[in-house]
Amino acid sequence: DGGITQSPKYLFRKEGQNVTLSCEQNLNHDAMYWYRQDPGQGLRLIYYSQIVNDFQKGDIAEGYSVSREKKESFPLTVTSAQKNPTAFYLCASSPIGGLEQYFGPGTRLTVT
Amino acid sequence: ELKVEQNPLFLSMQEGKNYTIYCNYSTTSDRLYWYRQDPGKSLESLFVLLSNGAVKQEGRLMASLDTKARLSTLHITAAVHDLSATYFCAVVPMNRDDKIIFGKGTRLHILP
Repeated sequence: DGGITQSPKYLFRKEGQNVTLSCEQNLNHDAMYWYRQDPGQGLRLIYYSQIVNDFQKGDIAEGYSVSREKKESFPLTVTSAQKNPTAFYLCASSPIGGLEQYFGPGTRLTVT
Repeated sequence: ELKVEQNPLFLSMQEGKNYTIYCNYSTTSDRLYWYRQDPGKSLESLFVLLSNGAVKQEGRLMASLDTKARLSTLHITAAVHDLSATYFCAVVPMNRDDKIIFGKGTRLHILP
């Protein structure tokens, strides 16, 4: 089955620790995206990548880092510099110039 | 800066009633998407609207796009409890296919 997987579904970390969220897709999509969603809020773009080994900052990139070493994978690292990391993180992918984005199931990160 | 505004942000309605959610955007676009999100879940694509005057229907939901007015509507006919969810519109700015801008979402609660 083609789709986007994110792992883990729930993640708990202590403040000050870096944490990496996984996103994998087998849709052969060129573009991948990371969004953050806070309770009762819309989606805010963190980073996106349209091609392997290249990525761009979104609207709220501070405190986050990404890599795109493979077309299928776009991991997001939430660093200790992110002031308020507790949120629901969604990964998405789309073909370049494609009609829509396809979303993974999300990872809920809680930092205490 | 492109802004996407949804109205209302929260709607509580009785089963069997009709209602409309509005999505206004601030710049030229010819691509608009509607997504549904259930609590704690990811986003599910509902409609892709690609041209002025586009109308799409699926069950009790109908979406339309007026690019001249920069307005899309999502109309709910004879609402049922299963339609309770948060609905997002999202817009791709003209001549840019690398970013999609989401509205804050409309949280729809349908009372039995």
